Amino acid sequence: QQQVKQSPQSLIVQKGGISIINCAYENTAFDYFPWYQQFPGKGPALLIAIRPDVSEKKEGRFTISFNKSAKQFSLHIMDSQPGDSATYFCAASKNTGNQFYFGTGTSLTVIP
Amino acid sequence: DAGITQSPRHKVTETGTPVTLRCHQTENHRYMYWYRQDPGHGLRLIHYSYGVKDTDKGEVSDGYSVSRSKTEDFLLTLESATSSQTSVYFCATRSGENYEQYFGPGTRLTVT
Repeated sequence: QQQVKQSPQSLIVQKGGISIINCAYENTAFDYFPWYQQFPGKGPALLIAIRPDVSEKKEGRFTISFNKSAKQFSLHIMDSQPGDSATYFCAASKNTGNQFYFGTGTSLTVIP
Repeated sequence: DAGITQSPRHKVTETGTPVTLRCHQTENHRYMYWYRQDPGHGLRLIHYSYGVKDTDKGEVSDGYSVSRSKTEDFLLTLESATSSQTSVYFCATRSGENYEQYFGPGTRLTVT
């Protein structure tokens, strides 16, 4: 079964708008929640990550919001740009860091 | 791609033939991973290695084997390829000092 559930599958946003992608998990042993960005023909690249001891982490236009009680976390892209058009994956890992579980991905298109 | 190369980058093979994919890293990272990426499934872990000759199974390991005889190389073998193994395969590495994974450029494998 899917350990990390991601939505929406695809997202279209106007330039300058806010893109929001959501993920949910069940395993409370997860303690590391990264987001990856992937462009066509390339491997995923780490964008931003959060630990469950904080509720929010911001890096530039990218913010992760984390709700431990709801077992949900989300990626917010502020002032979305056409160059942000890519597929985004959330993931989760346990304290060993040996196994990572990925969401199914969200294809983001930012319209100029 | 943090010094990670994968070979071959593209391969077409016939059902029943053995196939070996190679991942090579120059970062001296302790951990190495093999994932497959399929539409609607995101990335799924096949096998991972936590040191030379130390490997373990991931969530979709059936039909795959791995070997790691040197820190820099991690091989993925399909003993007898099947059409269900048509996918894009990504290698990733992690230093072990944190949870950050770095992905290679991927290998597109088609089994006919």
